[in-house]
Amino acid sequence: NAGVTQTPKFQVLKTGQSMTLQCAQDMNHNSMYWYRQDPGMGLRLIYYSASEGTTDKGEVPNGYNVSRLNKREFSLRLESAAPSQTSVYFCASIRRDRGYNEQFFGPGTRLTVL
Amino acid sequence: AQTVTQSQPEMSVQEAETVTLSCTYDTSESDYYLFWYKQPPSRQMILVIRQEAYKQQNATENRFSVNFQKAAKSFSLKISDSQLGDAAMYFCAYRSATGGTSYGKLTFGQGTILTVHP
Repeated sequence: NAGVTQTPKFQVLKTGQSMTLQCAQDMNHNSMYWYRQDPGMGLRLIYYSASEGTTDKGEVPNGYNVSRLNKREFSLRLESAAPSQTSVYFCASIRRDRGYNEQFFGPGTRLTVL
Repeated sequence: AQTVTQSQPEMSVQEAETVTLSCTYDTSESDYYLFWYKQPPSRQMILVIRQEAYKQQNATENRFSVNFQKAAKSFSLKISDSQLGDAAMYFCAYRSATGGTSYGKLTFGQGTILTVHP
């Protein structure tokens, strides 16, 4: 099992450019999440998908869109990148089931917007 | 909404010594999980330890243990016999144990950078 994979690992954009961050999991998990990590602020939830076909806003959704393409894949799109979106982005997934289930994280994408 | 606060931006410890990282949280829920995650320079998020709120007994995982004070909403991490490989950013995190669409959402603290001196 590859777990949670993210592409790309690094990306540099110019202000106004668009791009899509890809995330895939092979653990048959129901729910998937996008977080951003900024210095001094920890990780903050951008969007999440409780199950295939549903998406919801998290704490910091402005400037982003998401697509739950199928059960495996959950992408994050920046339509017009801004320097404030310079961050490290993490995708995560979890199985929705009774009791405790561990959340698994991808390796992260470091995005710089110039 | 839940909040998690880590008031120590940086901590340091001598190899083989013990260090405690602090975390406080705020919630109106009674059923939840608390976590400590380790993030080394590789950026990978590694689960160190978890605590279920309904359990009074403090969780332990080898050299890692927690002091969970539910009434005070405090959740500290103690690392015993510190090793050079423990050097990393540590995050405290909260997750509701209830179901619904918010299942699995994590709320993180700001993080504490731990330096281990040889």
